[in-house]
Amino acid sequence: AQSVSQHNHHVILSEAASLELGCNYSYGGTVNLFWYVQYPGQHLQLLLKYFSGDPLVKGIKGFEAEFIKSKFSFNLRKPSVQWSDTAEYFCAVNSLNDMRFGAGTRLTVKP
Amino acid sequence: GAVVSQHPSRVICKSGTSVKIECRSLDFQATTMFWYRQFPKQSLMLMATSNEGSKATYEQGVEKDKFLINHASLTLSTLTVTSAHPEDSSFYICSGTEGLSSTDTQYFGPGTRLTVL
Repeated sequence: AQSVSQHNHHVILSEAASLELGCNYSYGGTVNLFWYVQYPGQHLQLLLKYFSGDPLVKGIKGFEAEFIKSKFSFNLRKPSVQWSDTAEYFCAVNSLNDMRFGAGTRLTVKP
Repeated sequence: GAVVSQHPSRVICKSGTSVKIECRSLDFQATTMFWYRQFPKQSLMLMATSNEGSKATYEQGVEKDKFLINHASLTLSTLTVTSAHPEDSSFYICSGTEGLSSTDTQYFGPGTRLTVL
């Protein structure tokens, strides 16, 4: 079955540390890739998405993600996190209108 | 960004009763709406996709007679959990897109926590 894996369940960082959250998927064909963020008490919001073109995608709030087709990965990165980045991050993959989400990674940034 | 609301935000009901959850797009026309279910510490599971004026398309394993979805207008979709049981307790989230494809940006509602006693 097609699946999306987020290997880190909970990540704790200090402010200014660099962030990389892993996302791997098992789809074999053409995929569209998303990262969503859910801040405490708020609804899911789109952080960035990849459909085609440059595999390095830049999103809001300084986040970026790189699509590596050979590794079936779409890892999320940020060079320097802030306390306000504390949230839950979800990777999602869409292939032929089959949309699946990863289990989410909770990021806690200590001030 | 576009705003989607859900009502109620929390609901507690007795086993055997039915519960209706509303999902509204406040500032855009949601041609397509999606209903998800989320268990604690697990991913969002797509339950069904509905296009305005059409019957919903349910994912495999989702009972369409139990989870009734109506998408009567471009701004409103409802999910009715019929004859709810404790195992239906979960967090239900809706999203809407302006287009017909799930590759369109989805705008999510805040979710509804259902507890069935």
